[in-house]
Amino acid sequence: DAKTTQPTSMDCAEGRAANLPCNHSTISGNEYVYWYRQIHSQGPQYIIHGLKNNETNEMASLIITEDRKSSTLILPHATLRDTAVYYCIVRVRQGGSEKLVFGKGTKLTVNP
Amino acid sequence: DTEVTQTPKHLVMGMTNKKSLKCEQHMGHRAMYWYKQKAKKPPELMFVYSYEKLSINESVPSRFSPECPNSSLLNLHLHALQPEDSALYLCASSQDWFGTGNQPQHFGDGTRLSIL
Repeated sequence: DAKTTQPTSMDCAEGRAANLPCNHSTISGNEYVYWYRQIHSQGPQYIIHGLKNNETNEMASLIITEDRKSSTLILPHATLRDTAVYYCIVRVRQGGSEKLVFGKGTKLTVNP
Repeated sequence: DTEVTQTPKHLVMGMTNKKSLKCEQHMGHRAMYWYKQKAKKPPELMFVYSYEKLSINESVPSRFSPECPNSSLLNLHLHALQPEDSALYLCASSQDWFGTGNQPQHFGDGTRLSIL
C-alpha cells in the first residue's frame, strides 16, 4: 500500500501558484519523498525529491515540514500545460526489498 | 522529451499471439523497471532489473516474461495474454536499483496494449 495521502483533485488559476499537499505520517528517517506528474497519454515525469531540507529546481519547489510528516509541492506560476495527475511517493519496504508505490495522486486542473 | 524509449507505442494482439515490448535507455542507468497501468489507476510495479539481473518479480503471471539483454535494453515478452491484461506498460530506469540509492526513476511514455 502507498504510504502517502493526497487530495483527489485541485484547481488552480493560470499564472497563480499551485500548492499540492501530501501527508506521509509514517515516513522513516532515511526515506525520501518523490514527486512525479503524469500528463494524459504520457509516462510519469519526475519533478523533484527531498529528504529533510526544502528543495527547488527549474520545475518546482518542495517544502517538507520539520517533522517530515507532510510536504507541499509548489508550482510557482502554473500554466495550462501543468494540468496533470501529481503523485507524491515514499519508498515502501516490502519483503526485504524497496520500491516505489504510487498512490492515487492529485488531479490538478489549471484553468485559464 | 523522454530519454527512455519504448516501442511500439501501440500494440493490438490476440490471446494466442506472442509479441514483445522493447525499452531502451542510453543514460548509463543500471536499474530498469516494468510497470503496468490500468485506465485511471496509478502505475503498479511488475519487475525490477539491477545490473541486468532480475531483482524483483511482483508475482507477475508467467505469461509475462522479462528479459534484460544488456544494460541499455529491457524487453517484456508476452504470450497467451488475457483481455484483462490490456493496459499501458511503462518502462523506467534509474542510476541504480532504487533499494540502494535515492536516484529518481525516469519513465518512458509506454506501450498501450490491447488484447482482443
